[in-house]
Amino acid sequence: EVQLVQSGAEVKKPGESLKISCKGSGYSFTSYWIGWVRQMPGKGLEWMGIIYPGDSDTRYSPSFQGQVTISADKSISTAYLQWSSLKASDTAMYYCARAAVAGGEFAFDYWGQGTLVTVSS
Amino acid sequence: SYELTQPSSVSVSPGQTARITCSGDVLAKKYARWFQQKPGQAPVLVIYKDSERPSGIPERFSGSSSGTTVTLTISGAQVEDEADYYCYSAADNNLGFGGGTKLTVL
Repeated sequence: EVQLVQSGAEVKKPGESLKISCKGSGYSFTSYWIGWVRQMPGKGLEWMGIIYPGDSDTRYSPSFQGQVTISADKSISTAYLQWSSLKASDTAMYYCARAAVAGGEFAFDYWGQGTLVTVSS
Repeated sequence: SYELTQPSSVSVSPGQTARITCSGDVLAKKYARWFQQKPGQAPVLVIYKDSERPSGIPERFSGSSSGTTVTLTISGAQVEDEADYYCYSAADNNLGFGGGTKLTVL
């Protein structure tokens, strides 16, 4: 059974750093991409970036380039999303999702349960 | 990201057919996917390649495509289908979600 299990909720202060995780199981972790998606309170889904754990090839949405860093450790089947200096506007639910490449497209299928990040002074 | 446009809300009575559209130029060239998201839950894939249904998704969910518009149809909508629905498409290094449609079934 394919599973993506994300790390728990975080409460941080503005300016602090943070790294959240997404552990894949039930499939070959190095054969699929892992994407990160933001959902701000009461809002829709926004693609942030995507990584191929097999070789760490990473692509970012222009909206998030330079704002976050995506990485992966294939030895433990885990992808990461990190911030060096959080802002209150980073308060959101963050999802990881598995993606295959089909016909030149990133095709999301399975999703993690989400990690709620709250940034407040 | 691509621009994909959905109605903000659709409302039907139980047993009626709900149709949710998604429009965008990329849809003329690339497949769409549909995700269902219930309150407090992660999104779930309900349609891929415009009209294919993953295993475990009820047959009342179907999808279609015409030009730059794709449509998610729920035939005989149930109260448990009440959720937000997002279309999605991607090509090259661009990925995009529609703004989401809140489906109310009551």
